[in-house]
Amino acid sequence: QKEVEQNSGPLSVPEGAIASLNCTYSDRGSQSFFWYRQYSGKSPELIMSIYSNGDQEDGRFTAQLNKASQYVSLLIRDSQPSDSATYLCAVNPDRGSTLGRLYFGRGTQLTVWP
Amino acid sequence: DAGVTQSPTHLIKTRGQQVTLRCSPISGHKSVSWYQQVLGQGPQFIFQYYEKEERGRGNFPDRFSARQFPNYSSELNVNALLLGDSALYLCASSLRSTNEKLFFGSGTQLSVL
Repeated sequence: QKEVEQNSGPLSVPEGAIASLNCTYSDRGSQSFFWYRQYSGKSPELIMSIYSNGDQEDGRFTAQLNKASQYVSLLIRDSQPSDSATYLCAVNPDRGSTLGRLYFGRGTQLTVWP
Repeated sequence: DAGVTQSPTHLIKTRGQQVTLRCSPISGHKSVSWYQQVLGQGPQFIFQYYEKEERGRGNFPDRFSARQFPNYSSELNVNALLLGDSALYLCASSLRSTNEKLFFGSGTQLSVL
């Protein structure tokens, strides 16, 4: 069983703060990692992908990967109320195979208050 | 260009009935995957189709089936519906079978009464 674990929260931060979201995974051979944002009643939207150890930055978002610790995180700088959503961590343990399935965590609910 | 489109958006069925959900991928995308999302949980993989062939199947009973058409659109069928099948059904497309960057449609909310 390939597990992806997230703290379900809720995580509450003030506007302008840094929000830190964490995810651990059980399959040490996993190669691809993704963060999706899901607004209430909407479908998941891809916001970040990361494949190698270290940081990957895109605007206010930074994804961090540590394969030795089997840990991936998402930092949101200068958090805005519009960032309030559920953030889903997703892992693909089958890189190189024909199986492009993702394993998702249950998501962390983030609330950014003004 | 249009994104992934799914129909219908909402559906209400009773136990024992059958349902068909439809999905059109992003233009140029050849892979379609289906996921089930129960309230409060992350999406769970059901199927992946690429070039009209099944490339993967998740841990779902045989009541669930799918197919992909020559234009890469796809249908998900669920027979003998159970109350536990109530969920948001998400279709996602990607360029290739090994492309893990999935782009999701808005989903079909299925309620089984």
